[in-house]
Amino acid sequence: GAGVSQSPRYKVTKRGQDVALRCDPISGHVSLYWYRQALGQGPEFLTYFNYEAQQDKSGLPNDRFSAERPEGSISTLTIQRTEQRDSAMYRCASSRWHGTQETQYFGPGTRLLVL
Amino acid sequence: AQSVSQHNHHVILSEAASLELGCNYSYGGTVNLFWYVQYPGQHLQLLLKYFSGDPLVKGIKGFEAEFIKSKFSFNLRKPSVQWSDTAEYFCAVNGANTGNQFYFGTGTSLTVIP
Repeated sequence: GAGVSQSPRYKVTKRGQDVALRCDPISGHVSLYWYRQALGQGPEFLTYFNYEAQQDKSGLPNDRFSAERPEGSISTLTIQRTEQRDSAMYRCASSRWHGTQETQYFGPGTRLLVL
Repeated sequence: AQSVSQHNHHVILSEAASLELGCNYSYGGTVNLFWYVQYPGQHLQLLLKYFSGDPLVKGIKGFEAEFIKSKFSFNLRKPSVQWSDTAEYFCAVNGANTGNQFYFGTGTSLTVIP
C-alpha cells in the first residue's frame, strides 16, 4: 500500500506568514508523529497523536506551533507568524503496533524555508 | 538528560571495507532501538529494529546491529560495504522511560568510495 505522504514537499514563505503542513499517514496506523530536523541534526520530536487525540506536545517549541488530527487520519502542523529560525525539514511518521512494539514509517518531509 | 549519541559524524570507507557505526543511549529501563537510513534525496527508511530477544539483530541489505545492555549501546555493522551504502544513518530509541517518544541521534554520514 501507499506510504506516508506529506505536502507540500517544499515551501518557501516570507517571515510573518502562516504555513500549514499536511501529513497523510499509512491507512490504519494509529499513531502519528511530527518531527523537525535541522541541517546536520537528527529528527527532533515535536508532537504525536493516537487516533485524533494529541498525546504529547511537549516538543513544540512555542505557541506559534500547533497540530491537529481531527478525524484520526490526516494531520496538519501549523506554524503561525513564521520566523527564519523555523526553516527546517518537517517530517511526519505514522506507526503500527504489534502488542507493545511500535514501528515508525516516515514520509518524505516538507522542507520549509522562511525568508 | 536523556540522549542518543552517535560519535561518528562522518565516515569514509572504501568498498569492501567493514563498517561499524556507534550508538549509545542514556535511558534506563526497557528500550526499543532502531537504525534508520536516509539515502541521498530519499526519506528515512527503517533499516532494523530491536525490541527483545536475541541481541544480535539482522536487517536489510546485510546490516546487523548488536544490543549490549551493559554498555547502553546498539552499534550498526556491515562486513563489506558497497558504494550504494552511501547515506546518512540515524540511531533512535524509544521506551517506557521516554514517554513513548522517539529520540534520534544526530546521524552519521557514510561515504563509500568505489
